[in-house]
Amino acid sequence: DTAVSQTPKYLVTQMGNDKSIKCEQNLGHDTMYWYKQDSKKFLKIMFSYNNKELIINETVPNRFSPKSPDKAHLNLHINSLELGDSAVYFCASSFRTGYGEQYFGPGTRLTVT
Amino acid sequence: AQSVTQLDSQVPVFEEAPVELRCNYSSSVSVYLFWYVQYPNQGLQLLLKYLSGSTLVKGINGFEAEFNKSQTSFHLRKPSVHISDTAEYFCAVSPNAGGTSYGKLTFGQGTILTVHP
Repeated sequence: DTAVSQTPKYLVTQMGNDKSIKCEQNLGHDTMYWYKQDSKKFLKIMFSYNNKELIINETVPNRFSPKSPDKAHLNLHINSLELGDSAVYFCASSFRTGYGEQYFGPGTRLTVT
Repeated sequence: AQSVTQLDSQVPVFEEAPVELRCNYSSSVSVYLFWYVQYPNQGLQLLLKYLSGSTLVKGINGFEAEFNKSQTSFHLRKPSVHISDTAEYFCAVSPNAGGTSYGKLTFGQGTILTVHP
């Protein structure tokens, strides 16, 4: 069973388009995260939700909008895609009291042309 | 705020040799420390963590790390590496107090470990 899954695995799209990435976890965790890994492999947190409530919102363009329909799902919608949005996006989950031990999904490689 | 510096971007080593991947951190609050591993085209997997207690922590795949508070370091070691250890390794910290940043991981830049036969 996949613990943290993301769809799609690869996403190629043109500038200006709107796209979504979906994430689901079956670990019973109450907190989920989105990270961006750039071309230099640097990982930076974007958002975190705890029980559907936004708790971490880093300096991210408002073209990025996370949505958590329930605590097992956290989706990322990106409007008006730009070249600089090309990256690998990782979803992760944990318990709020999990001391930072997070479980990561396989990643979604987004390429904007 | 926290920051993490991994002192080596790449570490080549021969199979069965020992290896050390270096990590230093900076934080105004007490932190938990982690090492994650990323195999090619995969997500991150937790190798080990330091929460409290003994400063020497053991993780999966024969890795261990030592927390040194005075030097604000958390270096990762393995006495004998295998080809299968070839991957990128990330050091990370998170605040260990409450508040909105609790659980927020700050990562280092990563160290690519390449094990040669």
